[in-house]
Amino acid sequence: GAGVSQTPSNKVTEKGKYVELRCDPISGHTALYWYRQSLGQGPEFLIYFQGTGAADDSGLPNDRFFAVRPEGSVSTLKIQRTERGDSAVYLCASRGTMNTEAFFGQGTRLTVV
Amino acid sequence: DQQVKQNSPSLSVQEGRISILNCDYTNSMFDYFLWYKKYPAEGPTFLISISSIKDKNEDGRFTVFLNKSAKHLSLHIVPSQPGDSAVYFCAAWNYGGATNKLIFGTGTLLAVQP
Repeated sequence: GAGVSQTPSNKVTEKGKYVELRCDPISGHTALYWYRQSLGQGPEFLIYFQGTGAADDSGLPNDRFFAVRPEGSVSTLKIQRTERGDSAVYLCASRGTMNTEAFFGQGTRLTVV
Repeated sequence: DQQVKQNSPSLSVQEGRISILNCDYTNSMFDYFLWYKKYPAEGPTFLISISSIKDKNEDGRFTVFLNKSAKHLSLHIVPSQPGDSAVYFCAAWNYGGATNKLIFGTGTLLAVQP
């Protein structure tokens, strides 16, 4: 597709379980970002990839959160031992070298029950 | 430490009138400022941006003004249309810097009344 694609759109999981959220960026975009948005808040930065490497992971809240981008394209955000406070919309964005804006996917709504 | 602030959680305007959304920032290293629009259950959509070397950028009904000395920017929508009703996020980054991350405000919910 032409845009950023995120799967699944919705994920409900039980407290303590492990989840993986997938992001397919726009083809050719080397920069990829993960954000988290809670109700009434703006998107909060989690991690930024330039190619395969995590250039900035300063936004990851704790060591339960991890993200990979092994081939410089698709990225997976992994959350271990989920907690109810992890419930939020997780947004992925990508940016091409010549772009000054980032393009967002539709997000994955994660609900931890 | 909120580097990008949108102090108005909501704004209501009549169709055809001007909508003015405001944003303040604290980090003088920001060199690009962007506005995103978000409908429910969708991701943010890029609307318009401005470089720190400019004070105005216009695209159709949308104009962004930047006042660097005041660390303030605003988005003007004229004329406002009901389809403009959405949450608007102000965002900024240090585009040329070593750390390349977009920082968002908390958003302003715009309601355009027919």
